[in-house]
Amino acid sequence: GAVVSQHPSRVICKSGTSVKIECRSLDFQATTMFWYRQFPKQSLMLMATSNEGSKATYEQGVEKDKFLINHASLTLSTLTVTSAHPEDSSFYICSASLGRGYNEQFFGPGTRLTVL
Amino acid sequence: AQSVTQLGSHVSVSEGALVLLRCNYSSSVPPYLFWYVQYPNQGLQLLLKYTTGATLVKGINGFEAEFKKSETSFHLTKPSAHMSDAAEYFCAVRGVTGTASKLTFGTGTRLQVTL
Repeated sequence: GAVVSQHPSRVICKSGTSVKIECRSLDFQATTMFWYRQFPKQSLMLMATSNEGSKATYEQGVEKDKFLINHASLTLSTLTVTSAHPEDSSFYICSASLGRGYNEQFFGPGTRLTVL
Repeated sequence: AQSVTQLGSHVSVSEGALVLLRCNYSSSVPPYLFWYVQYPNQGLQLLLKYTTGATLVKGINGFEAEFKKSETSFHLTKPSAHMSDAAEYFCAVRGVTGTASKLTFGTGTRLQVTL
């Protein structure tokens, strides 16, 4: 149980295009989903927290217009990287939680974004 | 605010030797503590967690960790390393109340297992 999937697993795009990454909880309803960014050989940095049906809460320094997050249902959250540039190349990982009061997050396998 | 410090970005052990990965935390509230493992190009898998109760926590793959409040530590151990244990390990702390419900990760420790 508690499986989280991400699609695509790997994406290469040209500079200036937008890329959408999907995060799905396959066997549970995720009230809260988190998006992380991980640079090579570094730790995970929380980008934003999204609760189903409400606007995402972004961490300080994360551009909300650059990284659009939508959590339209209890099983799906999307991260759209708008007008991507090479510096946006990174490993993006989502996690899902049953919500406030639940201490465990279940992580997706990650999406490798390369912007040329 | 909460933070996690993992001492040693890289640890190398021989197969069959003891594994010890160090984690110290800082938290203004009683913490929930986690250890995750990450294999190359994959997401994170939970190894074990401490919430309340017994301070010695056993996880998957023979790993265990002990919560020591007086030392603000949550070190990860395994009696005998296996080649398959080679991976990146992250310690994380989660606050319990209010807005402190985020996970804060340490910088990670890469475990290398040699023959």
